[in-house]
Amino acid sequence: DTGVSQDPRHKITKRGQNVTFRCDPISEHNRLYWYRQTLGQGPEFLTYFQNEAQLEKSRLLSDRFSAERPKGSFSTLEIQRTEQGDSAMYLCASSLVLADRERAFFGQGTRLTVV
Amino acid sequence: RKEVEQDPGPFNVPEGATVAFNCTYSNSASQSFFWYRQDCRKEPKLLMSVYSSGNEDGRFTAQLNRASQYISLLIRDSKLSDSATYLCVVIGSARQLTFGSGTQLTVLP
Repeated sequence: DTGVSQDPRHKITKRGQNVTFRCDPISEHNRLYWYRQTLGQGPEFLTYFQNEAQLEKSRLLSDRFSAERPKGSFSTLEIQRTEQGDSAMYLCASSLVLADRERAFFGQGTRLTVV
Repeated sequence: RKEVEQDPGPFNVPEGATVAFNCTYSNSASQSFFWYRQDCRKEPKLLMSVYSSGNEDGRFTAQLNRASQYISLLIRDSKLSDSATYLCVVIGSARQLTFGSGTQLTVLP
């Protein structure tokens, strides 16, 4: 399967614990996005990388959230001291930007439940 | 005002009907436009890009009106399998994909 891969698919954690999610983009894709989605809403932008550089972070992304993309390949999203409000689907997408054209493809997401 | 706004629906239509969704965006500098489809508890999947001249892919037609800052999606001869949430996506000057909240479509037998 050469699509975007996310791990784990589901995560249940106790409030206050740290969690880390991984995203493996489509190889040769230079852009990688993280989104959060709650029921009945569209995906909300969190952050994105162009190769290994983190170019933008949403105001939604508190100090408890951090994302990395070492070497411009896979990416991790860490949430520290989780809160119940962090419960959501965390989606990763990757895209190849060529001549100002971009098509982004999503992974299946990591569903986080904070209890 | 949200950057991308959609009528949330739900739209309930009989099989074979034609249905249209609209989406408005606030940033006049937006450069690229897409429609994604999302099935319940699944990831969004790219349905089609939206080009300035309008474009068609089988039963689906997308149009862009830059002057009025809206995008539309028309589905002809709707099938049961078209039931999903349709997400309007805009890439603005910040170069990030911004999603609408989605329009829910149910095609009834």
